[in-house]
Amino acid sequence: ELKVEQNPLFLSMQEGKNYTIYCNYSTTSDRLYWYRQDPGKSLESLFVLLSNGAVKQEGRLMASLDTKARLSTLHITAAVHDLSATYFCAVVAYDNTDKLIFGTGTRLQVFP
Amino acid sequence: DTEVTQTPKHLVMGMTNKKSLKCEQHMGHRAMYWYKQKAKKPPELMFVYSYEKLSINESVPSRFSPECPNSSLLNLHLHALQPEDSALYLCASSQLPGGLVYGTDTQYFGPGTRLTVL
Repeated sequence: ELKVEQNPLFLSMQEGKNYTIYCNYSTTSDRLYWYRQDPGKSLESLFVLLSNGAVKQEGRLMASLDTKARLSTLHITAAVHDLSATYFCAVVAYDNTDKLIFGTGTRLQVFP
Repeated sequence: DTEVTQTPKHLVMGMTNKKSLKCEQHMGHRAMYWYKQKAKKPPELMFVYSYEKLSINESVPSRFSPECPNSSLLNLHLHALQPEDSALYLCASSQLPGGLVYGTDTQYFGPGTRLTVL
C-alpha cells in the first residue's frame, strides 16, 4: 500500500524565517504534486514535479523532487502571514491509474 | 476558465433523506473525481470517471451513487447516509484520463460541499 507522509504535521513559524516541509512516499513514482488548502476552502494546485531532480519555484515557495530517495521538499523562504495554510503533497498510485494519494498534510501558521 | 463549480455549498440532511451534490466544469476535461475530506485530514478518493464512465470506485458504500450525465457534469447521489458521512465533499477534474500518470495534468478542485448528516 502506497503511503505518503509529511513532516512536520504542524509548523508555527515567525515571519521572515525559512523552513522546509518534507514529503516521503513509500513506492516508486516519478511525479509528485503539491497543493495548498486554506481553512474551510478547496485545494489549490501549487506545483507539479514530473521527474527526478525537478525544481520549481513560485514566489517564496520552492519545491523539489528526489525520486531515488522518494522525497520531495517544499521550502519556504522569508515566510509571510499569507502563507498560512495546510500544504499537501500527493503521489500518483503505483497502479498507474489516475489516483492521487495525498500526504498527511502540514498545517503552517506564520505569526508576526 | 479554470473553474470547477459545486452546489450546494452546504447541505444538512437527515439519515432518511435523499439528496444530490452537483459538480460542473467547462474546461473540456474528460476525467472527473469525487473526494471526501474529514476535518484536519487529507482528501480521500471516492470515484473517478474517465470519458464519462466510472473507472475507479474506492470501495465506497452504496449509499453514495455517482453519475456522470455528460462530459461537463458530475453528480453524487446520497441516500440513507450516516452521521459519520459528514465531511467536505470535493469534486475535481483533469484534462485527460491517464494524464496524471503519463502526461502533465494536474487536478482542479471545486470549492466543495460541506455535508452534515443528522
